[in-house]
Amino acid sequence: GNSVTQMEGPVTLSEEAFLTINCTYTATGYPSLFWYVQYPGEGLQLLLKATKADDKGSNKGFEATYRKETTSFHLEKGSVQVSDSAVYFCALFLMNTGFQKLVFGTGTRLLVSP
Amino acid sequence: NAGVTQTPKFRILKIGQSMTLQCAQDMNHNYMYWYRQDPGMGLKLIYYSVGAGITDKGEVPNGYNVSRSTTEDFPLRLELAAPSQTSVYFCASSYPRGGANEQFFGPGTRLTVL
Repeated sequence: GNSVTQMEGPVTLSEEAFLTINCTYTATGYPSLFWYVQYPGEGLQLLLKATKADDKGSNKGFEATYRKETTSFHLEKGSVQVSDSAVYFCALFLMNTGFQKLVFGTGTRLLVSP
Repeated sequence: NAGVTQTPKFRILKIGQSMTLQCAQDMNHNYMYWYRQDPGMGLKLIYYSVGAGITDKGEVPNGYNVSRSTTEDFPLRLELAAPSQTSVYFCASSYPRGGANEQFFGPGTRLTVL
């Protein structure tokens, strides 16, 4: 079946530390991969995406590379800020006939302290 | 554009009561979705719609009903509320331009069933 596995949180970092949040997937076919971010009290927002193997998605200093050989899409940021504190969801995008579907991981909470 | 709006933001129900969660989007998106988010469980798809008059079940449809009479609105109905339906509910929409399209999420409705 199709599924996404993320590292458990919370991930606790000091400001300016390096961030990695691991994400691996299983899927039939060739899915696109997304990272969504959920700030406290808000809905999910798209952070970045990659649509094929070896693509790198990037936004707001975050990056993730679609690795087909390891079925991974790890999220990284070189220097986190307090404002990056949020829950991060990895998701794979499936296109079936007549329907588009996102399959989400369980989310990883990031806490950044000053 | 307001994007995706949801009402109410919070609600407490007694077991056996019914209610409708409202969702509207002003982006002329064909596709709309209802998810529930349980702690530590990620998002699960309840129902989706590919256009006015067309709806279908997602992963966890039991206890819910939907309708889609217009492109803009996609209400979710709970007929006999149960404690297991305590969750945060998110509505989302997307436009199928082809390829991996972003889903836009509303701010959520936090429902407690006592």
